[in-house]
Amino acid sequence: GAVVSQHPSRVICKSGTSVKIECRSLDFQATTMFWYRQFPKQSLMLMATSNEGSKATYEQGVEKDKFLINHASLTLSTLTVTSAHPEDSSFYICSASDRVVYSTGELFFGEGSRLTVL
Amino acid sequence: GQNIDQPTEMTATEGAIVQINCTYQTSGFNGLFWYQQHAGEAPTFLSYNVLDGLEEKGRFSSFLSRSKGYSYLLLKELQMKDSASYLCAVRDSNYQLIWGAGTKLIIKP
Repeated sequence: GAVVSQHPSRVICKSGTSVKIECRSLDFQATTMFWYRQFPKQSLMLMATSNEGSKATYEQGVEKDKFLINHASLTLSTLTVTSAHPEDSSFYICSASDRVVYSTGELFFGEGSRLTVL
Repeated sequence: GQNIDQPTEMTATEGAIVQINCTYQTSGFNGLFWYQQHAGEAPTFLSYNVLDGLEEKGRFSSFLSRSKGYSYLLLKELQMKDSASYLCAVRDSNYQLIWGAGTKLIIKP
């Protein structure tokens, strides 16, 4: 199956700093990438959908100025958590699809990034 | 509103069979998915149903009834490594994925 790589897998930062998480599709061109957030014992919450070369579409309640998403190429999308606070501590997961993958329904997920803000 | 319901937690014995149910109420339907997620890891794809009936894939099978808004995931010959959360997700008329909260499956020897 398709491979999606996410980095870093774990990051600890101080309150007020910014953290960047990368999501790469390694063996296919990802026209669309999805960013999710997951709190302990809860389901995935879609934060935003990003299409290559255009601005991300954010879900209701997600601050676009706090969670900056850039999808500059067909293989890379980044999520930057700006001025992170302890309540931003969570598990962030990206997934990617191209047209063919999306039509069959299967999403390929990155390994996830666990962010801890002190 | 849109809603996906699945049990919070289930326990089963190694070697046995377990059925995890999922009921949904969504605006439109364009497929139902089951994903497996081990603790601290990203979900991995298990199955996809878009038509009514049973889809079998090795030890795992998934069933769908669109008229009842109901699906189940059947796991046979349970192994300890099957201990994980199982997520049900439905794609609505806008092709948005609506996720259930997941069912934590505990396998006992």
